[in-house]
Amino acid sequence: EVQLVESGGGLVQPGRSLKLSCAASGFTFSDYNMAWVRQAPKKGLEWVATISYDGSSTYYRDSVKGRFTISRDNAKSTLYLQMDSLRSEDTATYYCARHAADYWGQGVMVTVSS
Amino acid sequence: DVVLTQTPVSLLISLGGQASISCRSSQSLVHSNGNTYLHWYLQKPGQSPQLLIYQVSNRFSGIPDRFSGSGSGTDFTLKISRVEPEDLGVYYCLQRTHNPPTFGGGTKLELK
Repeated sequence: EVQLVESGGGLVQPGRSLKLSCAASGFTFSDYNMAWVRQAPKKGLEWVATISYDGSSTYYRDSVKGRFTISRDNAKSTLYLQMDSLRSEDTATYYCARHAADYWGQGVMVTVSS
Repeated sequence: DVVLTQTPVSLLISLGGQASISCRSSQSLVHSNGNTYLHWYLQKPGQSPQLLIYQVSNRFSGIPDRFSGSGSGTDFTLKISRVEPEDLGVYYCLQRTHNPPTFGGGTKLELK
């Protein structure tokens, strides 16, 4: 059974950093491109970042470029999202998903507020 | 970015009734490889989105045949027949043909 379990969320002040993790199981993690998708409270879904199966290629939406870094450790079957210089508009539930968007984690809440 | 316009924004349906949701794209979703990467999701309250239909018309594993998808190019439709209580929530379309992937604004399905 495919499982994606996010962790690392919480309350953080504007300008500070937070690192999200996503532990994958039930499939060969190193075979799949992976992604982070977010959803602000009571809002729709927004694709944030993508990473290729081997980590050689990444994509970021414009609003997070230069502030967020997606990475992975295939030996640990874990996906990461390093979020720096956080802004109030980054407040959202962050979901880890396979790039095909077929399987999603349960999500982790990030609140950016002073 | 590709804009996906979903209509209606909300839908009131009786149990056992039929629902139809439209997703229109600002540009063709046919990939250069010939595939069309338009998918449909249901997000139930407090849950993550679950895949219902992938590549326009293919039901994902475990999805009942009450759900069907159709369309081509820029116009796509999700139909739900014989609506059941567990079908309630917000439906989204997603396109992965063009970068960045983008979602429709959502359609909330509620009981009449």
